[in-house]
Amino acid sequence: GQSLEQPSEVTAVEGAIVQINCTYQTSGFYGLSWYQQHDGGAPTFLSYNALDGLEETGRFSSFLSRSDSYGYLLLQELQMKDSASYFCAVYSMGVGGSYIPTFGRGTSLIVHP
Amino acid sequence: DTGVSQNPRHKITKRGQNVTFRCDPISEHNRLYWYRQTLGQGPEFLTYFQNEAQLEKSRLLSDRFSAERPKGSFSTLEIQRTEQGDSAMYLCASSHPLAAGKYNEQFFGPGTRLTVL
Repeated sequence: GQSLEQPSEVTAVEGAIVQINCTYQTSGFYGLSWYQQHDGGAPTFLSYNALDGLEETGRFSSFLSRSDSYGYLLLQELQMKDSASYFCAVYSMGVGGSYIPTFGRGTSLIVHP
Repeated sequence: DTGVSQNPRHKITKRGQNVTFRCDPISEHNRLYWYRQTLGQGPEFLTYFQNEAQLEKSRLLSDRFSAERPKGSFSTLEIQRTEQGDSAMYLCASSHPLAAGKYNEQFFGPGTRLTVL
């Protein structure tokens, strides 16, 4: 089966940098995604890593190390609106041969002024 | 609005009743996913369609759950003989065929919140 671990809560101040880690155990790893979800809202896509290394998109970056079964989401120049839950999701092969995601339990990011 | 839509947004039912939810994906998206999310948890995968074919179904999914996507456009999720443990947010997501294997971006709908009394 699959298992993912990420911290339950992270707090930081506006303007700071925060890193949210995700470690996983899975067979047939294909890729890792990050999603943001505000209270009462739907998850929205942030990034996807299939290969080792860093992917940068504006203030957000995501890193993957396949050999360490580890990834992280880096948020820079934090803003109050970044307060939300962040989920890592690992893609692995399902019984039907398609790649399907398994989501972690999420990290609640609280940004203080 | 060209995003993913779900109906109804809220459903309250009594234990033992059947319920059906509808998802309309973004028009050119051929891939459609159903998830269940409870408070404090991440979305839990339920099932996956590529066009009209149901290619994946969670091993944990009870046989009271069934999903269809008859013409490869909208999809329905039915829960028969609902139980209190079925209370959750049911999310639908879709993705573009060109996204597969590249960035795998899924667009989520607002969800249907089910409460079973």
